[in-house]
Amino acid sequence: AQSVSQHNHHVILSEAASLELGCNYSYGGTVNLFWYVQYPGQHLQLLLKYFSGDPLVKGIKGFEAEFIKSKFSFNLRKPSVQWSDTAEYFCAVTPGSSASKIIFGSGTRLSIRP
Amino acid sequence: DAGVTQSPTHLIKTRGQQVTLRCSPKSGHDTVSWYQQALGQGPQFIFQYYEEEERQRGNFPDRFSGHQFPNYSSELNVNALLLGDSALYLCASSRGTGSGNYGYTFGSGTRLTVV
Repeated sequence: AQSVSQHNHHVILSEAASLELGCNYSYGGTVNLFWYVQYPGQHLQLLLKYFSGDPLVKGIKGFEAEFIKSKFSFNLRKPSVQWSDTAEYFCAVTPGSSASKIIFGSGTRLSIRP
Repeated sequence: DAGVTQSPTHLIKTRGQQVTLRCSPKSGHDTVSWYQQALGQGPQFIFQYYEEEERQRGNFPDRFSGHQFPNYSSELNVNALLLGDSALYLCASSRGTGSGNYGYTFGSGTRLTVV
């Protein structure tokens, strides 16, 4: 069965620290990959997505992610976090052949100390 | 503004009761998907509606049913509520069923508490 694993449940960083959130997926075929963010009390928002092409994807608010096919990974990075990045981050995948159902990871809660 | 409107925002029901949640998709979107997000978990796919028909379904029992109206809005119905149905229910709209390229827009959700 298809699945997404996020290894860090809660990450606590100080402002200006670098961030990397891990994501691995389980699916043998072509996939579309996403990172969503959920700020406290707000709806899920798309941070970035990968469909094909350059495996290094840049998203909003200075976030980027790298698709490494051989490792089935799609880690999220940001060189310098801000207090406003405090949120829940979800990695997600849709099978490339039938991109109708999103499979989400369990999420990583990011807390930034001012 | 999410563009997707869900109502109500909060709801408290008793075990065994039935509940109906509503979703109005973003303008220009014709497909509605429903997700259940339990506390501390990622959203889990319930089902998707397109052209007023259920097109795809996740691993949820028949107590969960839905409907899509001609104006693309949708309802999620849950019968015989269990304590474990307590969760945030998210609606996501998109254009077409193969939405990897067009993307989804999520609503803010309905928080259902079953007591």
